[in-house]
Amino acid sequence: EVVMTQSPATLSVSPGERATLSCRASQSVAGNLAWYQHKPGQAPRLLIYGASTRATGVPARFSGSGSGTEFTLTISSLQSEDFAVYYCQQYNFWPLFGGGTKVEIK
Amino acid sequence: EVQLLESGGGLVQPGGSLRLSCAASGFTFHTQAMNWIRQAPGKGLEWVSGISGSGGSTYYADSVKGHFTISRDNSKNMVYLQMNSLRDEDTAVYYCAKGHLGVTFRFDPWGQGTLVTVSS
Repeated sequence: EVVMTQSPATLSVSPGERATLSCRASQSVAGNLAWYQHKPGQAPRLLIYGASTRATGVPARFSGSGSGTEFTLTISSLQSEDFAVYYCQQYNFWPLFGGGTKVEIK
Repeated sequence: EVQLLESGGGLVQPGGSLRLSCAASGFTFHTQAMNWIRQAPGKGLEWVSGISGSGGSTYYADSVKGHFTISRDNSKNMVYLQMNSLRDEDTAVYYCAKGHLGVTFRFDPWGQGTLVTVSS
């Protein structure tokens, strides 16, 4: 069974700085990896699919990379609305989410 | 605009049953797979169940297999989750989500969620 591990659990970043979030799969999921943003009390939002394709309406400051077992979500210049929890999810097998990374204001 | 609206959550005793509903609009419902995903208090996201556009194929996480049943009514643009033999660990916010661009287990968009609390 594949296991998805996200790091770090919490990332403290100042507005305008770059944030780099990692997601590791215990076995290859090819490029079948998505990233979601989740704010308290709101519906989660799809940001990235296919490891690197931005979903409709997602700002260009969000980018995804990686394949196989190592993936990265980069937010190039954090805006106030970007402070949230981010989840990776593989859909190569039965769907499974990582434990999440909370991006908080430093 | 695609919209998903969940309902049916509430407080239920252990061993009880509850049926969640998700009303969909803004897309050709019968062509799209639908899913339920949950988030327990203080925890991450967990996929629960999925159903194909026709309803002919259903999928379950091991944690709910045998006590949850997903179904859909394409004439009403509704998807349901029948939850039986509820346990404390089923307490969560339950989200309805559409399969994305023909991929059943990629989720977009999501509804706002409905809270299920299992407690005596």
